[in-house]
Amino acid sequence: AQTVTQSQPEMSVQEAETVTLSCTYDTSESDYYLFWYKQPPSRQMILVIRQEAYKQQNATENRFSVNFQKAAKSFSLKISDSQLGDAAMYFCAYRSLTSGTYKYIFGTGTRLKVLA
Amino acid sequence: EAGVAQSPRYKIIEKRQSVAFWCNPISGHATLYWYQQILGQGPKLLIQFQNNGVVDDSQLPKDRFSAERLKGVDSTLKIQPAKLEDSAVYLCASSLRQISYEQYFGPGTRLTVT
Repeated sequence: AQTVTQSQPEMSVQEAETVTLSCTYDTSESDYYLFWYKQPPSRQMILVIRQEAYKQQNATENRFSVNFQKAAKSFSLKISDSQLGDAAMYFCAYRSLTSGTYKYIFGTGTRLKVLA
Repeated sequence: EAGVAQSPRYKIIEKRQSVAFWCNPISGHATLYWYQQILGQGPKLLIQFQNNGVVDDSQLPKDRFSAERLKGVDSTLKIQPAKLEDSAVYLCASSLRQISYEQYFGPGTRLTVT
């Protein structure tokens, strides 16, 4: 069974600085997606960034980028120029593409605090 | 485009009572998910629908939880009878197709069982 581990329950970053959130996963599959989701205090989850496992190039979305190390099964999120609005819970998620259900599996989350 | 709607937003019940949650996905989205998010944890998939058929309900406690998606649009999730450990946020999400990579989440329903 696939698992997703986020070992940092909480992180803090100074406004305008850079922070990296860690995520590791375990799978025997070769084809899958990885995601980072953001959940602000209002609770509505939104997609931050996704990475297809077959792509070697790391995904980027404006100030958000990932470091995808497939062999190490590591998928970290880097937030550059942190803003107060980045404060939220961040969840790493794995999505199987080889099972019939394409199920999502979420990690336990990292709470990011942004200090003014 | 309207987002995923859920109601109620909050519900407090006593143990052994029943409760129902409603979800209206984004128009045209064929796939609908119900997740349970216990405080301090990530969302856990309870059930996944493709149109009005169940794709995955392997983590749904079927002795007390039930869900339906009539006509492939709205969905209801029911708990009967509720236990203290059912206290959680229940999230509904939808995606255009089963293979679509992006899920769109609703605001969730916070359930407190006393």
